[in-house]
Amino acid sequence: DGGITQSPKYLFRKEGQNVTLSCEQNLNHDAMYWYRQDPGQGLRLIYYSQIVNDFQKGDIAEGYSVSREKKESFPLTVTSAQKNPTAFYLCASRPPDRGGGPQHFGDGTRLSIL
Amino acid sequence: DQQVKQNSPSLSVQEGRISILNCDYTNSMFDYFLWYKKYPAEGPTFLISISSIKDKNEDGRFTVFLNKSAKHLSLHIVPSQPGDSAVYFCAASEWGDKIIFGKGTRLHILP
Repeated sequence: DGGITQSPKYLFRKEGQNVTLSCEQNLNHDAMYWYRQDPGQGLRLIYYSQIVNDFQKGDIAEGYSVSREKKESFPLTVTSAQKNPTAFYLCASRPPDRGGGPQHFGDGTRLSIL
Repeated sequence: DQQVKQNSPSLSVQEGRISILNCDYTNSMFDYFLWYKKYPAEGPTFLISISSIKDKNEDGRFTVFLNKSAKHLSLHIVPSQPGDSAVYFCAASEWGDKIIFGKGTRLHILP
């Protein structure tokens, strides 16, 4: 079945450590997105990519980095510069239709600090 | 500055009655609007969308209404069912651009 796979489901980070969250899609979507969800904050956009080898900062990009070397993959690295990384991270992709259509989401990765 | 606002953090509705979730936006360039449903520890699921050329879109029990002059949209669920209990996110975008989400409204369907 086509879909978006995020791994791992739970992740723990030590102080000063970088961690990478995986997002893979087999929907042949051009655009991919990373969001962060905190209680009472809704979904806030971290980074997005409209096409391979290109990406843009969202509203809260500080302390995060991404790459888009393949259409299917859009990994997110939470760096040690991100001082409050504990959150639920969601990856999404969107079809290449004119207007984009709705996003499809993965099931998320919950990141916690040890 | 919040471009998409859901001013009700939570809403309780009796089973079988109508649930009305509201959303306001500030960016007049938005021309595509969506509603998503989310259960805890899962990703949001797309429910229904509407483009700015319409004022209503219906899909089964779900209807979205758009009032462009008021920059307001609403989601109606009729009749409400226990499985509708979830967090609902309103979202908006300019054509083909990034999607901006509201903070969500938690809907409780009461037996």
